[in-house]
Amino acid sequence: DAGVTQSPTHLIKTRGQHVTLRCSPISGHKSVSWYQQVLGQGPQFIFQYYEKEERGRGNFPDRFSARQFPNYSSELNVNALLLGDSALYLCASSLVGGNTEAFFGQGTRLTVV
Amino acid sequence: GQQVMQIPQYQHVQEGEDFTTYCNSSTTLSNIQWYKQRPGGHPVFLIQLVKSGEVKKQKRLTFQFGEAKKNSSLHITATQTTDVGTYFCAGYSNTDKLIFGTGTRLQVFP
Repeated sequence: DAGVTQSPTHLIKTRGQHVTLRCSPISGHKSVSWYQQVLGQGPQFIFQYYEKEERGRGNFPDRFSARQFPNYSSELNVNALLLGDSALYLCASSLVGGNTEAFFGQGTRLTVV
Repeated sequence: GQQVMQIPQYQHVQEGEDFTTYCNSSTTLSNIQWYKQRPGGHPVFLIQLVKSGEVKKQKRLTFQFGEAKKNSSLHITATQTTDVGTYFCAGYSNTDKLIFGTGTRLQVFP
């Protein structure tokens, strides 16, 4: 069975640009969460979607947005990129919303120059 | 907002020694999860604890959830080089947000 897949694996963008990151959850999983992990730190919660509705939002600016599609895949969009947005972006899927095991993808390494 | 801290930040041990990481939340948790992240990898789920005072074992790993459901610990007996990585606790409070701890990086010397 395929695990959580994320694309692209690596990305280099210039300040001010926007970026779209994609995530396909494990088949049958209806919840997708996004995390930002800066080198040397723990994953920071950005968004959670369940059944295509936003169920949670972390302390990130409005430049960050996301959505979940009818097939439960998800996109994370970041506008007006800043150098500080450079990080590993992780997607996690779970069967239902909170209080369940999260399965992480390999992540997208975003570098903003 | 909710904060989850872990100590120590780093731990270097000789292979065969024991290792413990402690996790403390600023708020009561509905459950606690533990993840392991190898260098260059992604977090991998280890276990979930739900009940107050719960203790679970996985081979050489022992996990505890505090009575007040605000703290937890992970103890590894007789570490091996394959135990190298960063161990994160993570918990849900009264929301659907899974909040990760600061992590403890374990290095094991052969």
